[in-house]
Amino acid sequence: AQSVTQLDSHVSVSEGTPVLLRCNYSSSYSPSLFWYVQHPNKGLQLLLKYTSAATLVKGINGFEAEFKKSETSFHLTKPSAHMSDAAEYFCVVDSGSARQLTFGSGTQLTVLP
Amino acid sequence: NAGVTQTPKFRILKIGQSMTLQCAQDMNHNYMYWYRQDPGMGLKLIYYSVGAGITDKGEVPNGYNVSRSTTEDFPLRLELAAPSQTSVYFCASVIGTGGFYGYTFGSGTRLTVV
Repeated sequence: AQSVTQLDSHVSVSEGTPVLLRCNYSSSYSPSLFWYVQHPNKGLQLLLKYTSAATLVKGINGFEAEFKKSETSFHLTKPSAHMSDAAEYFCVVDSGSARQLTFGSGTQLTVLP
Repeated sequence: NAGVTQTPKFRILKIGQSMTLQCAQDMNHNYMYWYRQDPGMGLKLIYYSVGAGITDKGEVPNGYNVSRSTTEDFPLRLELAAPSQTSVYFCASVIGTGGFYGYTFGSGTRLTVV
């Protein structure tokens, strides 16, 4: 079975500093991995996805993530945080058989002025 | 092309009442899903369908039923609502074939059971 562990439930950064949101996954095969963002009382927006092409994936709004098979990690980064980045972020793995998604428990990102 | 449409957006139910959450997609996606999101948590899979007439249970199916009579529609039925079903419900769909695909999520239904 596939699973996702988001290592931090809350991350606080100052505006203009780098963002690192950590995600480890467990999968019995080469998975597809995603990062979604959810702003308060909003739906889910896809930031980026890894589907076995390039291991460094660039997404929207300056976010990127690197797939590291040896470390089973898919950490999300951004060089410079903006106030509008404050939201809940979910690391998600494609469970495969019927493309069900398994979600991590989420990381709440706070951006301090 | 409306994507995934969920109705209603908000609903308050009394304990023991029943209701149907509607989900419709116009992208000819064959795979559809229902998830629930409890406060401060990630989404958990309730039911899914890989095509018309085919449904299967996810991680948290108890208290729910689904049907898939057409490719477009995937309603979720709550029978005998309980406070534990207070949650935000998301419907999603994906093409289901090919190596490059993307999920489309609805905007959610916020359900409160009192």
